[in-house]
Amino acid sequence: RKEVEQDPGPFNVPEGATVAFNCTYSNSASQSFFWYRQDCRKEPKLLMSVYSSGNEDGRFTAQLNRASQYISLLIRDSKLSDSATYLCVVNTLSGGYNKLIFGAGTRLAVHP
Amino acid sequence: DAGITQSPRHKVTETGTPVTLRCHQTENHRYMYWYRQDPGHGLRLIHYSYGVKDTDKGEVSDGYSVSRSKTEDFLLTLESATSSQTSVYFCAISEFLDSSYEQYFGPGTRLTVT
Repeated sequence: RKEVEQDPGPFNVPEGATVAFNCTYSNSASQSFFWYRQDCRKEPKLLMSVYSSGNEDGRFTAQLNRASQYISLLIRDSKLSDSATYLCVVNTLSGGYNKLIFGAGTRLAVHP
Repeated sequence: DAGITQSPRHKVTETGTPVTLRCHQTENHRYMYWYRQDPGHGLRLIHYSYGVKDTDKGEVSDGYSVSRSKTEDFLLTLESATSSQTSVYFCAISEFLDSSYEQYFGPGTRLTVT
């Protein structure tokens, strides 16, 4: 079982739609959670951190459910520019040090 | 954008040849990382460095070695490239080792081993 699992998609949605991505993680001791965005053939960039109380940044809302070990990302009013792959990232203690574990990503395609 | 460059950006090489990829940063961050990214997998850590001449293995370190002689440069070497090392390689930097902090990524190197 992968440590961080995501639905690979693609999610094809029209502009203006609301779309939600989920991610599950296996290590209950994980402490930090993030969503990164990766455009085609580009490097990943931090989109937002995910806090226990949930947090919002404009059209983006991230939620964390520690009991169920899953993280979600909600995008409202989708724009063409939101088309990208969204990576769920979890920090975990492994081999004596904290490291980031990346999911394989969920691809989003927003069409006119 | 964080000042991270990688060279070369693209490389095609033959099985059995040595290959060195370079990561250069201008941010003076202490920690540097090498990842590989393959379809169906998340980024996987190859090696990381926590200071000049201080490096350690990640989860997929077999077949790779690294060196860091200066704060700004982190080299990844494939001693004898194999087709399974065909991948996109990303360098990353961070100010802190604590993984609650953001990592910044370079633009990537696409390596093809034929």
